[in-house]
Amino acid sequence: DTGVSQNPRHKITKRGQNVTFRCDPISEHNRLYWYRQTLGQGPEFLTYFQNEAQLEKSRLLSDRFSAERPKGSFSTLEIQRTEQGDSAMYLCASSLEGQVNTEAFFGQGTRLTVV
Amino acid sequence: GDSVTQMEGPVTLSEEAFLTINCTYTATGYPSLFWYVQYPGEGLQLLLKATKADDKGSNKGFEATYRKETTSFHLEKGSVQVSDSAVYFCALRRAGGSYIPTFGRGTSLIVHP
Repeated sequence: DTGVSQNPRHKITKRGQNVTFRCDPISEHNRLYWYRQTLGQGPEFLTYFQNEAQLEKSRLLSDRFSAERPKGSFSTLEIQRTEQGDSAMYLCASSLEGQVNTEAFFGQGTRLTVV
Repeated sequence: GDSVTQMEGPVTLSEEAFLTINCTYTATGYPSLFWYVQYPGEGLQLLLKATKADDKGSNKGFEATYRKETTSFHLEKGSVQVSDSAVYFCALRRAGGSYIPTFGRGTSLIVHP
């Protein structure tokens, strides 16, 4: 297993365009998280899935953001009508629930720059 | 709600110096505690963890002890190397349910030769 994989690693887009990121979690992990990280800050929670169900969304996740996890495997995060304030590193993490105190494993992130 | 507070950075040290990065937390119950490390342009890597009071997590010469009485999980290393230069994040997660890992703001460590 190669760990959590995110694509693309970098994305530059013009303001107003739509972008989509993909996350492939560790294969047996049933929980998947999306976080956003801006310069000098820690990861901020956006949303998470338990299998294919999206169970919680942060108030940071505006209507322009949507996430899916069809079939409980990979996940996509789409941002519509991007704004300059969306520029950040988007991190995906996965974990295996059902075990006590399990940690989250992170991908390398997708760095979004909106120009 | 849950929260993690870390000391402000950057922490600047010479090689072979002793490192301490302070972390305190607020959470209901008995969370698990973690230290993650992030190298430039990369995602977060788990460095060490502790799951109950008085547990000591250790890895690559780094250590942290879960202190319930002071709600702290300070990161220490006896002799830092230039390659330890990175950003370190303290995090917590309560067991079970929908509890979500919560991170501190991170502390940048710069080690000079």
